[in-house]
Amino acid sequence: GESVGLHLPTLSVQEGDNSIINCAYSNSASDYFIWYKQESGKGPQFIIDIRSNMDKRQGQRVTVLLNKTVKHLSLQIAATQPGDSAVYFCAENGVGGNQFYFGTGTSLTVIP
Amino acid sequence: GAGVSQSPSNKVTEKGKDVELRCDPISGHTALYWYRQRLGQGLEFLIYFQGNSAPDKSGLPSDRFSAERTGESVSTLTIQRTQQEDSAVYLCASSPTPGIGYTFGSGTRLTVV
Repeated sequence: GESVGLHLPTLSVQEGDNSIINCAYSNSASDYFIWYKQESGKGPQFIIDIRSNMDKRQGQRVTVLLNKTVKHLSLQIAATQPGDSAVYFCAENGVGGNQFYFGTGTSLTVIP
Repeated sequence: GAGVSQSPSNKVTEKGKDVELRCDPISGHTALYWYRQRLGQGLEFLIYFQGNSAPDKSGLPSDRFSAERTGESVSTLTIQRTQQEDSAVYLCASSPTPGIGYTFGSGTRLTVV
């Protein structure tokens, strides 16, 4: 099956700094990617998505970058806040596009 | 409802017992998914329902696992003869159409003792 992995399992940042979370995906046929945020005891929550015809997409304080050449995805969080502390997952839609494949996740801790 | 609802939120069961987990998707969402999340790990796909089509069961880890869905409503995931390695959070998600970002429920935390 598809393999979606993350370079860093944990990340600690100071409040107010920018955070960058990276993700490598394996299926070059994937054309839709999503970042999810999962807080303790809750289900994953959609943050931002990007299609393969784009290389950058911005939301509120978040930016997703897609590099199809090296099959790399990143999530940038500007002015990180304590409420951003969570596990972040990237997901790709793989072959067929009807379901998503998730990586292990990166645990982000924001230090006040 | 406003979101995906799962019940129970927590379940402790003895090894060898059967358990049934329930998922109520968002009304009108045709696609429904079950995932398993072991402690500290990512989400493992289990099964996918789309409308009245045959479900994609390719992620079910063994024949002890089964799931049903009635039309485009409630789904139940059944685990027979539970084993300790079945301990995990079982997450349900739904989407209005396949391939669009999911809305997840809060999950059922299953502990097999």
